[in-house]
Amino acid sequence: GAGVSQSPSNKVTEKGKDVELRCDPISGHTALYWYRQSLGQGLEFLIYFQGNSAPDKSGLPSDRFSAERTGGSVSTLTIQRTQQEDSAVYLCASSLMPGDEQFFGPGTRLTVL
Amino acid sequence: KNEVEQSPQNLTAQEGEFITINCSYSVGISALHWLQQHPGGGIVSLFMLSSGKKKHGRLIATINIQEKHSSLHITASHPRDSAVYICAVGGTSYGKLTFGQGTILTVHP
Repeated sequence: GAGVSQSPSNKVTEKGKDVELRCDPISGHTALYWYRQSLGQGLEFLIYFQGNSAPDKSGLPSDRFSAERTGGSVSTLTIQRTQQEDSAVYLCASSLMPGDEQFFGPGTRLTVL
Repeated sequence: KNEVEQSPQNLTAQEGEFITINCSYSVGISALHWLQQHPGGGIVSLFMLSSGKKKHGRLIATINIQEKHSSLHITASHPRDSAVYICAVGGTSYGKLTFGQGTILTVHP
């Protein structure tokens, strides 16, 4: 596709369950970023990928959060044992090269009941 | 104190008015971004700049590196400009963004 896509668009889960969020960046974009947007915290950085490596994962809030990227393309953000405070919109962005203009996906709205 | 501060937090204008949103930051940056988010919508990049001034249609962005300050101007504002405008700074060479809290702009017809 022409832009960054994310799936699912909405996810409702029960506290304690695991969830996987997917990001398909723009083809050829080497850099990929995950951000989170929540009412209390605004927008915050989670993790950065260059190719399949994650040289900066400093924004992951706990060890329940993990992410991987395969083939220099698709990325998956996994949240284990979800908590209510994990409820937020999870955004993925990609750029052609690190530091370039970032293109954002539509986000996944996660609700933990 | 947040690393990126925007003002005002809320802005209401009448159609046709000139709009200014300000952003101040306290860290060294490689680039500053202005983003737009419509209600219920995704985030769109408006500008990425590291010096001087950029213009796109009715939108103008300026940055003063020495003063660590940027402004986003909208000329001849229109109701479709109603959105949240977010200032974000890239403090690393690889583009990790730190965000301001956003400015909610409402333009009335």
